[in-house]
Amino acid sequence: QSVLTQPPSVSGAPGQRVTISCTGSSSNIGAGYGVHWYQQLPGTAPKLLIYDDSNRPSGVPDRFSGSKSGSSASLAITGLQAEDEADYYCQSYDRSLSWVFGGGTKLTVL
Amino acid sequence: EVQLVESGGGLVQPGGSLRLSCAASGFTFSSYWMSWIRQAPGKGLEWVANIKQDGSDKNFLDSVKGRFTISRDNAKNSLYLQMNSLRVEDTAVYYCARDTPNKKGHGYWGQGTLVTVST
Repeated sequence: QSVLTQPPSVSGAPGQRVTISCTGSSSNIGAGYGVHWYQQLPGTAPKLLIYDDSNRPSGVPDRFSGSKSGSSASLAITGLQAEDEADYYCQSYDRSLSWVFGGGTKLTVL
Repeated sequence: EVQLVESGGGLVQPGGSLRLSCAASGFTFSSYWMSWIRQAPGKGLEWVANIKQDGSDKNFLDSVKGRFTISRDNAKNSLYLQMNSLRVEDTAVYYCARDTPNKKGHGYWGQGTLVTVST
């Protein structure tokens, strides 16, 4: 049982927009800690996709965007491409547990 | 270029010990908190432990407290994870990751090293 809750899977056709939700609590996201998103392609290490709710590291396409409201956050991917098929994880900091992750969401591009 | 290279994984029996190492390069190692994060086969990510720049502060996942120790050698640009009393549920790929300042996530990860705890 992960501290942050994500849907196990989402899917979309090429070119479409998909969103992945991440729900926390008053001890992590709701406490004001930033939400970070990672993309993990099959067989590889996770890659930081979004940091501090909505910021993209250099090199990440602007098709990826993040937002946060209260104790929840969302990752949006527009113009879906085949290479976006991967596992996506949200992360935040928790007052009592240090770093916490969501259970991960598998994105399937139809 | 930032590089993190883990080593030391392998097969160990329940109750055994293993020491993981992470060699860092391409940045000023002594300026960053560092973490170990693991991923059980087919499962999600789980933060395990982290250590402050000078080693004076360490934090651990509850399930590994008292069994795992994290340390670093800034002169050798290296991070370590000593794992004792290993359990089957500790089986995972262990990643070394650099903490981003001000809790902005983990910007760099190693390729991971597999630890298998089994009879």
